[in-house]
Amino acid sequence: KQEVTQIPAALSVPEGENLVLNCSFTDSAIYNLQWFRQDPGKGLTSLLLIQSSQREQTSGRLNASLDKSSGRSTLYIAASQPGDSATYLCAVRIQGAQKLVFGQGTRLTINP
Amino acid sequence: GAGVSQTPSNKVTEKGKYVELRCDPISGHTALYWYRQSLGQGPEFLIYFQGTGAADDSGLPNDRFFAVRPEGSVSTLKIQRTERGDSAVYLCASSLQGKLFFGSGTQLSVL
Repeated sequence: KQEVTQIPAALSVPEGENLVLNCSFTDSAIYNLQWFRQDPGKGLTSLLLIQSSQREQTSGRLNASLDKSSGRSTLYIAASQPGDSATYLCAVRIQGAQKLVFGQGTRLTINP
Repeated sequence: GAGVSQTPSNKVTEKGKYVELRCDPISGHTALYWYRQSLGQGPEFLIYFQGTGAADDSGLPNDRFFAVRPEGSVSTLKIQRTERGDSAVYLCASSLQGKLFFGSGTQLSVL
């Protein structure tokens, strides 16, 4: 059974810092991995999607990497801003299935 | 609208009652998903539709939960004999080429 773990559960940093969020998964037979952002009371917004054959994806100040063999992904946020404050969720789609398995999320707070 | 729409945004009901939650996906998206999210947790998969048919309902917790998508667009999640443990945010998503677009969810509270 695929399990996804995110560390840390919560993170608070000053504005302007670069930071890394971690995601690990137990079964390397994945189809892809996605990072989502969730604001309080809102749905999820897809940030980056990495196919199993890819090593990383970049969008603006965000960079996500994937190491399938070790079961790890990281989300790197450069020059953090207060508007980046949200919960960040990692999810894997396992091979042969359509469903996503989510981690519990990292609650990020960027202090002005 | 441009996004996934879920109604109602909040639903309060009493234990034992029946509830229906509605999802309007993005036009043209053939894949539709229901997830359930408890406080402080990530979403948990309930059911996946491809067109009108439920292609994977392995996440439905028991036979009190049922979902339909009769015309391949709007979907309804139905919960019979609600229990307090059913309280959660129910999220709907539609998909194009693997990228999921989520609605804002329905907060269900069972008293």
